[in-house]
Amino acid sequence: DAGVIQSPRHEVTEMGQEVTLRCKPISGHDYLFWYRQTMMRGLELLIYFNNNVPIDDSGMPEDRFSAKMPNASFSTLKIQPSEPRDSAVYFCASSDGISYNEQFFGPGTRLTVL
Amino acid sequence: AQTVTQSQPEMSVQEAETVTLSCTYDTSENNYYLFWYKQPPSRQMILVIRQEAYKQQNATENRFSVNFQKAAKSFSLKISDSQLGDTAMYFCAFMGTGKLIFGQGTTLQVKP
Repeated sequence: DAGVIQSPRHEVTEMGQEVTLRCKPISGHDYLFWYRQTMMRGLELLIYFNNNVPIDDSGMPEDRFSAKMPNASFSTLKIQPSEPRDSAVYFCASSDGISYNEQFFGPGTRLTVL
Repeated sequence: AQTVTQSQPEMSVQEAETVTLSCTYDTSENNYYLFWYKQPPSRQMILVIRQEAYKQQNATENRFSVNFQKAAKSFSLKISDSQLGDTAMYFCAFMGTGKLIFGQGTTLQVKP
């Protein structure tokens, strides 16, 4: 298996633009997680899905952020409009269960909003 | 709310020596899981070791072992025979009811 795939690996955009980050989880995994990593706040869980259904989105910072999982093999995290403070590394992770099961992380997308 | 604290922002160790990274956490739950993740300069998050709270025996994975003290809510990571490839940021993480909560991380530098 190729592991969790994220695209793009790097994204540079201007303030006010829409940004879409993409994730393909490991086949067979029924949980998908979106995290954000910044120097100030560390690694934060934004939202997670189980069987394509959002379970907990309490970490989503504000209405500018939205996430979807239209099928078991694809998820998007969208920021509209983007702001400089959204600059961070965004990770997608998947697992075949919760709690003890290892979450496998993708390589991350480094987002820079100018 | 659960919190995870790593009190050592940076540490260094000589190659082949042993180093211990500290982690404490706060929770009112009795059943939970603890993890150590490694993030090398490549940015990839890699699971190093995990521990189930109901198990008293400390987990071990090759050169990596933990000292789990449930009453003290402490979960330290010991790296034996440190190698240059161990240079990375290490994150302690807590999983209770679904959310994986990370500490702020400890940057470990292994010196030749």
